[in-house]
Amino acid sequence: GAVVSQHPSRVICKSGTSVKIECRSLDFQATTMFWYRQFPKQSLMLMATSNEGSKATYEQGVEKDKFLINHASLTLSTLTVTSAHPEDSSFYICSASSRGGLYEQYFGPGTRLTVT
Amino acid sequence: RKEVEQDPGPFNVPEGATVAFNCTYSNSASQSFFWYRQDCRKEPKLLMSVYSSGNEDGRFTAQLNRASQYISLLIRDSKLSDSATYLCVVHGSSNTGKLIFGQGTTLQVKP
Repeated sequence: GAVVSQHPSRVICKSGTSVKIECRSLDFQATTMFWYRQFPKQSLMLMATSNEGSKATYEQGVEKDKFLINHASLTLSTLTVTSAHPEDSSFYICSASSRGGLYEQYFGPGTRLTVT
Repeated sequence: RKEVEQDPGPFNVPEGATVAFNCTYSNSASQSFFWYRQDCRKEPKLLMSVYSSGNEDGRFTAQLNRASQYISLLIRDSKLSDSATYLCVVHGSSNTGKLIFGQGTTLQVKP
């Protein structure tokens, strides 16, 4: 099956700093990548949809200036959490699709962010 | 009302048992349906797609009832390794690729 990697797998940062998370599709070209967030004992919530070469589409309630998304190539998308606060501590997961997400999406292993 | 609803459980069953999970969705225009499995502190992994005619993959059987907007997953002969959270996932009606996740149903298979 398709392989998606994320880096880093775990990060601890201080309040006010920025953190960049990378999502890569290793063996296919991802025209669309999705960024999700999951708080403990809750469902995955879509944050934004990213198409290669264009601006990301953010879900309602997600601040685009705080969560910067770049999808510069067909194999890489990045999420930068700017001026992180403790309430941003969460499990961030990306997924990638080669067909615009209309069919299966393949998930990265996730990044656990802790903001102290 | 949530777009995708599941009973969170937990379902505690002995090895070898048959267990069924249900899921309902609110958008009648939804086009695709999936069951994902998520282990603790890991990413979701696709278990199976769900088709209108029903489909089976080994010990797993998925059913879709569009009229009732209801999806089910049946696991036969439960193994200890089946212990996980099972996510009902619905693909929206638009062509944006947006997936809507249920809260998940937790299964614990005991020896």
